Amino acid sequence: GAVVSQHPSRVICKSGTSVKIECRSLDFQATTMFWYRQFPKQSLMLMATSNEGSKATYEQGVEKDKFLINHASLTLSTLTVTSAHPEDSSFYICSARGLEAGYQPQHFGDGTRLSIL
Amino acid sequence: AQKITQTQPGMFVQEKEAVTLDCTYDTSDQSYGLFWYKQPSSGEMIFLIYQGSYDEQNATEGRYSLNFQKARKSANLVISASQLGDSAMYFCAMRERTSGTYKYIFGTGTRLKVLA
Repeated sequence: GAVVSQHPSRVICKSGTSVKIECRSLDFQATTMFWYRQFPKQSLMLMATSNEGSKATYEQGVEKDKFLINHASLTLSTLTVTSAHPEDSSFYICSARGLEAGYQPQHFGDGTRLSIL
Repeated sequence: AQKITQTQPGMFVQEKEAVTLDCTYDTSDQSYGLFWYKQPSSGEMIFLIYQGSYDEQNATEGRYSLNFQKARKSANLVISASQLGDSAMYFCAMRERTSGTYKYIFGTGTRLKVLA
């Protein structure tokens, strides 16, 4: 089945550091990738929709300059948390959807647990 | 307003029994998709089952079935013959088309605990 690889799986870093998270579709081309944030014991909150070759669409309340998204190819999207602070600590998870029309589930990466000290 | 509602924060079921996890949704679209995902404690999201709004038959995938009642806007997940490994968070999600792009909205989840 379709596989989405997300890297790194865990990051612990100091406040003020910028952190880049990669999301790759391994065996299919993804025109659209989604970035979610999940707080403990809560649901997934969509942060932004990333379309290959165009600017990401951010959800209301998500800071574009804080969470930089780049979708440079049909198999790779990156999320950079700039100048991260403790309140940015969370579980970040990406998903990808293939090119084919019609029914398709999202395929999720395994998530990145970000801890800012 | 909540678009996906999961009213059961937590559920218990005895091993080998069946369990139903509730999900109701709200949309004015005619074409939409409903999904269920499982999230174990390790965090990954595992796709379980899909139901399209135009599908007349209830979806089934192994031990998972979706009880789709379109008029009531409900899409309950039924897990038959529960196993210990089914203990996890379960999320109902809806795909709808907004401003030319697909967006997925998740419910708040139900934590299922299977008892031995």
